[in-house]
Amino acid sequence: QQQVKQSPQSLIVQKGGIPIINCAYENTAFDYFPWYQQFPGKGPALLIAIRPDVSEKKEGRFTISFNKSAKQFSLHIMDSQPGDSATYFCAARRQAGTALIFGKGTTLSVSS
Amino acid sequence: ETGVTQSPTHLIKTRGQQVTLRCSSQSGHNTVSWYQQALGQGPQFIFQYYREEENGRGNFPPRFSGLQFPNYSSELNVNALLLGDSALYLCASSFAGRTYEQYFGPGTRLTVT
Repeated sequence: QQQVKQSPQSLIVQKGGIPIINCAYENTAFDYFPWYQQFPGKGPALLIAIRPDVSEKKEGRFTISFNKSAKQFSLHIMDSQPGDSATYFCAARRQAGTALIFGKGTTLSVSS
Repeated sequence: ETGVTQSPTHLIKTRGQQVTLRCSSQSGHNTVSWYQQALGQGPQFIFQYYREEENGRGNFPPRFSGLQFPNYSSELNVNALLLGDSALYLCASSFAGRTYEQYFGPGTRLTVT
């Protein structure tokens, strides 16, 4: 049973565009929602994380929007660059702080 | 500060064999988690170790087992390999209590033939 659903599967934007990746979760027993970025041949790297009592968080060009009542959250990448081309994963951490449950990923391609 | 390292980088095994994968945690981290990432999928949680004991487990059979050592390095052991075990195995370390902030190694690519 997939507890974190991510869309779209792939995304192509032009340089300077604002790609948006969406995730929805099914379990309320999550207490942190991080986003990870993965380049080919590398492990995922943490981009930004948010708690469910916060509606928005910005770090540099990356913004998470969180809608607790809808059980949805999204990642926005402002002024996207070709170097942002990677696979992005949303995740949710189970309360009691063990497992991260990942979405299936979104492959982003930023064309110059 | 040393990042998370994993060995070997690639590994080819035959169905039915056993394999051991190794991980060195980032300096100062006391929690290690292992994930399996199939091609085109997100990482799936296998288990987590804290203070040398298993501290949570995903939906993986007992033939997946692990160890954490006093220096916080870790091993993942898989017995009776199946073709479906072919995947990228990722190790991640973190501070206990900040496990949303996991630092991943580059992974071990396991191919079972």
